Amino acid sequence: GQNIDQPTEMTATEGAIVQINCTYQTSGFNGLFWYQQHAGEAPTFLSYNVLDGLEEKGRFSSFLSRSKGYSYLLLKELQMKDSASYLCAVQDSNYQLIWGAGTKLIIKP
Amino acid sequence: IAGITQAPTSQILAAGRRMTLRCTQDMRHNAMYWYRQDLGLGLRLIHYSNTAGTTGKGEVPDGYSVSRANTDDFPLTLASAVPSQTSVYFCASSDSPGGMGTEAFFGQGTRLTVV
Repeated sequence: GQNIDQPTEMTATEGAIVQINCTYQTSGFNGLFWYQQHAGEAPTFLSYNVLDGLEEKGRFSSFLSRSKGYSYLLLKELQMKDSASYLCAVQDSNYQLIWGAGTKLIIKP
Repeated sequence: IAGITQAPTSQILAAGRRMTLRCTQDMRHNAMYWYRQDLGLGLRLIHYSNTAGTTGKGEVPDGYSVSRANTDDFPLTLASAVPSQTSVYFCASSDSPGGMGTEAFFGQGTRLTVV
């Protein structure tokens, strides 16, 4: 079966760095996405990785290792507004997105 | 404002009733999707449409139907609602269904409670 695993909840301090991990087992691989979802709102796109390595976009970076079925989202200089759920999704061989349950990130002052 | 509009934003529905959730996008995206999101679970695909006139079944299609008469609209119908269909429903669209790295844009969601 297809499976995406990510921690249920994480807590970090304002101004710090946090790494949210995602491991996957899917039928084929055509890319990995990270989305941010604030409570009661729609998911919004953060990043996309299809090749191994690190993609940096401002305070957010995403890493992929296809051989390990592993990705992480790195958030630097955390701000209170970063409190949200972070969703990992893999595009399978049929180009359909398989979603993890999301990681709820709590930022404390 | 360009994007995806869902209606209604929330609804309480009696079991056994028929209900259509509406979704309209103005980005001229080819592909559209319906997901449900339940606590502790990832987004689950109900139905999708890669282009106007075509639809396909996702992971959890039972009890739901869709149509795609034109590019902009993708309504989701519950023929006879049951309590297990209580969920938050998201409509999404993307420019190219089979393209790698295609970002999906989401509507604001419909919170449906079946009692």
